[in-house]
Amino acid sequence: DAGVTQSPTHLIKTRGQQVTLRCSPKSGHDTVSWYQQALGQGPQFIFQYYEEEERQRGNFPDRFSGHQFPNYSSELNVNALLLGDSALYLCASSWGQGAGTEAFFGQGTRLTVV
Amino acid sequence: QKEVEQDPGPLSVPEGAIVSLNCTYSNSAFQYFMWYRQYSRKGPELLMYTYSSGNKEDGRFTAQVDKSSKYISLFIRDSQPSDSATYLCAMRRSNDYKLSFGAGTTVTVRA
Repeated sequence: DAGVTQSPTHLIKTRGQQVTLRCSPKSGHDTVSWYQQALGQGPQFIFQYYEEEERQRGNFPDRFSGHQFPNYSSELNVNALLLGDSALYLCASSWGQGAGTEAFFGQGTRLTVV
Repeated sequence: QKEVEQDPGPLSVPEGAIVSLNCTYSNSAFQYFMWYRQYSRKGPELLMYTYSSGNKEDGRFTAQVDKSSKYISLFIRDSQPSDSATYLCAMRRSNDYKLSFGAGTTVTVRA
């Protein structure tokens, strides 16, 4: 059983560009959360998607947006990239309508903005 | 002040020693407490999950939660070089979907 898979693994973008990161949840999971982890820091919650709707959002600007597809996979989009957006972006999946346990994280996408 | 405080270390111990990690927090509404292990260039892996106060043991790992002191701990017995990683504490409120993480403590177990 594949766990949470993210793509791409690494990418480099130029300041001002836009980027899309992708996540496939673990089989059987219907909820996807996105986190940003800066170097030397703990992950910071960006938002969570359930039933194709954004269910909760953290303290991130509107440049960060997302989408969840009927197959439960998800995308994170970041517009107008800043140097400070350089980080490891983590996707976590869980299940159920209730507040779940983020037991399963992907390996992350390392974004470098130059 | 951060919601969750965690000493970043680094912490270096000899093989077989007990590793002691801890976090403090300010939000008394936190009810669920977790410890994750993160190897370099990997995503976090859930180690322990505890609801409210008390102790939980799983093999070499013991998690403790003291809500009155807003303090949680993770103990690793008989540490192995493979335990070398960054350990993150995380917590959330009931009916909240957001996890609040500490900054992580980097642990090295010397063979």
